Amino acid sequence: GNSVTQMEGPVTLSEEAFLTINCTYTATGYPSLFWYVQYPGEGLQLLLKATKADDKGSNKGFEATYRKETTSFHLEKGSVQVSDSAVYFCALSLRGGSNYKLTFGKGTLLTVNP
Amino acid sequence: EPEVTQTPSHQVTQMGQEVILRCVPISNHLYFYWYRQILGQKVEFLVSFYNNEISEKSEIFDDQFSVERPDGSNFTLKIRSTKLEDSAMYFCASRGQPSSYEQYFGPGTRLTVT
Repeated sequence: GNSVTQMEGPVTLSEEAFLTINCTYTATGYPSLFWYVQYPGEGLQLLLKATKADDKGSNKGFEATYRKETTSFHLEKGSVQVSDSAVYFCALSLRGGSNYKLTFGKGTLLTVNP
Repeated sequence: EPEVTQTPSHQVTQMGQEVILRCVPISNHLYFYWYRQILGQKVEFLVSFYNNEISEKSEIFDDQFSVERPDGSNFTLKIRSTKLEDSAMYFCASRGQPSSYEQYFGPGTRLTVT
């Protein structure tokens, strides 16, 4: 079946530190990969996506590269801010059909201290 | 900016009672989803809905669950006879066009079954 494994949290960093949250996947087909973010009290928001191998998704200073050879999609940011404190979810969906249901990882809580 | 809304934000119910969780998807979206997250576990797909019928459901979505789009705006999840293990955060999501990957999530309803 399809699954996503991401780094266990919580992760606590100081402002301006470098962030990496690891994510690996297994999939029966050729997935599209996503990072979603959930700020306190809000719903899940799409942060970035990549739909094919070697694609790099980027948004708000975050980046992730679709690595087919290592089945990974690690999230990185060079300099985190307090406002980045949130829960981050790695997810995949399979192409084909029109369903596009998402398979999520467990989520990683990031806390950034000033 | 259009958003998905969910009510109530928190629902407490006794085991064996029926609950209805309500969602208002983005108005011109065509595809609708329910996911749930048991505390400390992964966000799990429950069901997808398109053209007034279920397009896919997970093993979790048994006969105790049903979904409905009773009018042009609401999308509901009903649990007929709640169990303790139904306690979770339930997220509604909607998606626009067939080729669009992005699902827009609501803030969730926390269901507590006592």
